[in-house]
Amino acid sequence: DVKVTQSSRYLVKRTGEKVFLECVQDMDHENMFWYRQDPGLGLRLIYFSYDVKMKEKGDIPEGYSVSREKKERFSLILESASTNQTSMYLCASTSYSGGYQPQHFGDGTRLSIL
Amino acid sequence: DAKTTQPTSMDCAEGRAANLPCNHSTISGNEYVYWYRQIHSQGPQYIIHGLKNNETNEMASLIITEDRKSSTLILPHATLRDTAVYYCIVRVANDNYGQNFVFGPGTRLSVLP
Repeated sequence: DVKVTQSSRYLVKRTGEKVFLECVQDMDHENMFWYRQDPGLGLRLIYFSYDVKMKEKGDIPEGYSVSREKKERFSLILESASTNQTSMYLCASTSYSGGYQPQHFGDGTRLSIL
Repeated sequence: DAKTTQPTSMDCAEGRAANLPCNHSTISGNEYVYWYRQIHSQGPQYIIHGLKNNETNEMASLIITEDRKSSTLILPHATLRDTAVYYCIVRVANDNYGQNFVFGPGTRLSVLP
């Protein structure tokens, strides 16, 4: 089974802090994603990466950056956390196999910015 | 415009089959149908996907109508642990980077004892 592991289930940070969310997958997937999930808004794509050191902006990249130094690891960085970034953050991965493979998700990090 | 339409909520008795419908009347020939579920406070869990043929795996069956305008996810023997929000998603097959997974509001399935 595919395993996508997010480093923290719950995280509390303060406004202005730099926050790192880590995600690791064990299936040698090329593509990795970061989403945030908010009530009534569904999942919104923040960034994705299709290869090491490659990144592409999703629908809501403002206030975030990402890092992919190794194939199995994809990090989301909140450069200066703000209260409107309080959310559930979800990491996902998928293989590059004709473009129809499903994404597999981690259990999420519920981040609260105080 | 939403690509899929699902009922907001459904109930199912424990041990009975749960049949979750999804309407995707504007689906195009190269779009797959995917089903996920999300149990409270967890990430979405992949269940099954298909293009035009019916599919079955250890979790569920996916029945796609011949015109592909609708599908049904079947959980053959629902348990209390199947209580979750179920999402039906359509996505183009040549989306090589996989970024176009759009989750709508889904169907909240409650399995009742």
